Amino acid sequence: DIRMTQSPASLSASLGETVNIECLASEDIYSDLAWYQQKPGKSPQLLIYNANSLQNGVPSRFSGSGSGTQYSLKINSLQSEDVATYFCQQYNNYPNTFGAGTKLELK
Amino acid sequence: EVQLVESGGGLVQPGRSLKLSCAASGFTFSNYGMHWIRQAPTKGLEWVASISPSGGSTYYRDSVKGRFTISRDNAKSTLYLQMDSLRSEDTATYYCATGSGYFDYWGQGVMVTVSS
Repeated sequence: DIRMTQSPASLSASLGETVNIECLASEDIYSDLAWYQQKPGKSPQLLIYNANSLQNGVPSRFSGSGSGTQYSLKINSLQSEDVATYFCQQYNNYPNTFGAGTKLELK
Repeated sequence: EVQLVESGGGLVQPGRSLKLSCAASGFTFSNYGMHWIRQAPTKGLEWVASISPSGGSTYYRDSVKGRFTISRDNAKSTLYLQMDSLRSEDTATYYCATGSGYFDYWGQGVMVTVSS
């Protein structure tokens, strides 16, 4: 199975700050990488797919980048509604695998 | 508007069975692969099973292979997960989702608790 190592596990940032979350795959996943946002008590919502494509309706302050084994999610100008847990997911190979998550809180 | 509504969860004893359903609306169900993903309490996400649009191909994670069966009824726009020989480690919220690889729409989830 492809292992997805996500960092940091938790993050505290101020409103308006820029935040970066990293995801490292144990092998090349050829940009088959998605990012999800999950707020407490809610189901996950797709933010980014194919490493850098923004899902319809997602604010443009979210962006994704990376290739090969290294990927990142960037949130510009952090808003209060961005407080959530973020997960990466590879879909290059079965079984699809997720990172352990990054819990983002406001400082 | 895409809607996925799961049902069928509950408390079940180890070794028993449960069948989850996911009613879909707002899109052409028969055109899309469907999936079950679970999340144990306070834990991360774990893909469980997938099924092709026609239902002809299915995929499972190793830990549920031989115990869980994913199926679909395209005439009813409904996805199913038959779960047999349930174990305590199957306790989780189960989500159905659409997508081709990544999961672009998710249901609200249904809780399954396996305990004596």
